[in-house]
Amino acid sequence: QKEVEQDPGPLSVPEGAIVSLNCTYSNSAFQYFMWYRQYSRKGPELLMYTYSSGNKEDGRFTAQVDKSSKYISLFIRDSQPSDSATYLCASATNFGNEKLTFGTGTRLTIIP
Amino acid sequence: EPEVTQTPSHQVTQMGQEVILRCVPISNHLYFYWYRQILGQKVEFLVSFYNNEISEKSEIFDDQFSVERPDGSNFTLKIRSTKLEDSAMYFCAGDGGRETQYFGPGTRLLVL
Repeated sequence: QKEVEQDPGPLSVPEGAIVSLNCTYSNSAFQYFMWYRQYSRKGPELLMYTYSSGNKEDGRFTAQVDKSSKYISLFIRDSQPSDSATYLCASATNFGNEKLTFGTGTRLTIIP
Repeated sequence: EPEVTQTPSHQVTQMGQEVILRCVPISNHLYFYWYRQILGQKVEFLVSFYNNEISEKSEIFDDQFSVERPDGSNFTLKIRSTKLEDSAMYFCAGDGGRETQYFGPGTRLLVL
């Protein structure tokens, strides 16, 4: 069983729509949950991270974690064409000297 | 804003040759990592490094791989005898122990 699973998409939505990206995980020891954005053939760029369950908002982005269902979500409001990228969820048991376990990434296209 | 840098951005090598990939992490980071991403696949952990020692390595990180921090700024990944299946993007990452990892732009390695 894969530790972090993510629908690879592709996902296409019109500009201005709300985007919902999701992952599930199987390792109960995961405490930290990250979302990275990756443009084609570039390095992962950190968007935001959360600890344990709950919500975290940063501008148009909201990350949500439900540890009871092992479900991770990223919502993008008022989506822009510049949001077109691959979104990677990742999980870790701790910060500092702990590997990240990534999902496969969801390829998102925002249509102008 | 400080960034992780990697050199070279691209490297083409012949099978069996040695390659050294270089990274300059963010200066106040303590923990360093290498990941790889084969085209179209997920980002995979290779190795973590702290206090001049390997902390953890994946099953991918076999005897052909080595890491080194030869001075206070550089962090290198060496592949002694490259194989075709080593063709991938290689990412260096680091963190300071209190938040998640920041990635470099990657080195695209092509083994012919």
